[in-house]
Amino acid sequence: EDQVTQSPEALRLQEGESSSLNCSYTVSGLRGLFWYRQDPGKGPEFLFTLYSAGEEKEKERLKATLTKKESFLHITAPKPEDSATYLCAVHSENTDKLIFGTGTRLQVFP
Amino acid sequence: DGGITQSPKYLFRKEGQNVTLSCEQNLNHDAMYWYRQDPGQGLRLIYYSQIVNDFQKGDIAEGYSVSREKKESFPLTVTSAQKNPTAFYLCASSWGQYNEQFFGPGTRLTVL
Repeated sequence: EDQVTQSPEALRLQEGESSSLNCSYTVSGLRGLFWYRQDPGKGPEFLFTLYSAGEEKEKERLKATLTKKESFLHITAPKPEDSATYLCAVHSENTDKLIFGTGTRLQVFP
Repeated sequence: DGGITQSPKYLFRKEGQNVTLSCEQNLNHDAMYWYRQDPGQGLRLIYYSQIVNDFQKGDIAEGYSVSREKKESFPLTVTSAQKNPTAFYLCASSWGQYNEQFFGPGTRLTVL
């Protein structure tokens, strides 16, 4: 069965303290892995798409990487405005639907 | 400005009533989706449509209905048969089935 697991569930960082969020997936064939940012009470905002192992994408303080079993969202020198829930989702060859993880809630304190 | 709009932002319903949530997109996307989000759970797919006049059930379609009469619009009706309808509902769209999905701002439905 296709599965997506995100860790940790919650992460508290001091401003400037870099860290990584993890998204582990189990699928029979990966069509694409997606990262989203979601602020409280709002819809998810698209960040990145990764298609194959070794691929990397960057946007401001965020960098997403992909291996055959997991993806990392690296946050470099975070600021309080980076506080949000980060969602990971995968498309597998088994299904035509996106499978979402439960998210990592990030809080960055000044 | 291209994007996805959902209305209303907040909706209150009495038990036994049907309600319809609106979703409109001007991105010229072919595919549209409805998700439900509950605390501590991942987004769950209710219905999706890859083309006008066609739609498929997602993982939790019971108690919901949709229509896709226009490319831009994909309304969701929450019927009285839905046993636990209080949730945050999200509409999304994409160019194709395997492309990234873009989400609307959501509708929070509360059953009184």
